Amino acid sequence: QVQLQESGPGLVKPSETLSLTCTVSGGSISSYSWSWSWIRQPPGKGLEWIGFIYYSGSTNYNPSLKSRVTILVDTSKNQFSLKLTSVTAADTAVYYCARRSSGSYDYWGQGTLVTVSS
Amino acid sequence: QSVLTQPPSVSGAPGQTVTISCTGSSSNIGAGFDVHWYQQLPGTAPKLLIYGNSNRPSGVPDRFSGSKSGTSASLAITGLQAEDEADYYCQSYDTSLSVVVFGGGTKLTVL
Repeated sequence: QVQLQESGPGLVKPSETLSLTCTVSGGSISSYSWSWSWIRQPPGKGLEWIGFIYYSGSTNYNPSLKSRVTILVDTSKNQFSLKLTSVTAADTAVYYCARRSSGSYDYWGQGTLVTVSS
Repeated sequence: QSVLTQPPSVSGAPGQTVTISCTGSSSNIGAGFDVHWYQQLPGTAPKLLIYGNSNRPSGVPDRFSGSKSGTSASLAITGLQAEDEADYYCQSYDTSLSVVVFGGGTKLTVL
């Protein structure tokens, strides 16, 4: 059974960089059958796609966030990561990592709340 | 304003059937991209409910069904149960925006 687990600071100061890691267990990250995504959900609001990465390192980002987002993969650790620069209060959200398979997201992490505040 | 439009809320009594619509456009659902549905119980991560317009992952009861026609899709839940009370989201891909898109979500209340 594939499991994903997000980790990283729960509090980030405005203008700083949000950094999260997703650890994948129960399966290898190294397959072109799926890609690995970050999705966020502001408190009380809907889901917003941030971007995804293949194990090769090929990425696709949401154009609205592209200038601030970097997603990287570390196949040796079976992990992928998210960096979001110049954060503001609008970036406060629960951040989920998820596996994308044939367009749908079949496995999700439990989510981690990141609050942007001084 | 979400690219995919869902009703903010629907409700039904136990045992009844409810339908949740997801309306898109010619650049997403109408362009032939699949629609997927997720159930999000309070305080938990979304769970894949329907993939590829009408397919259920293993373990999802057959009370849940999906369909797609033109620029819209629908999720039907028959034999409503109290445990179905949750938020439901549709998801597709938009070729004009080059983004994965989600509907705004629909809150299902079981009366």
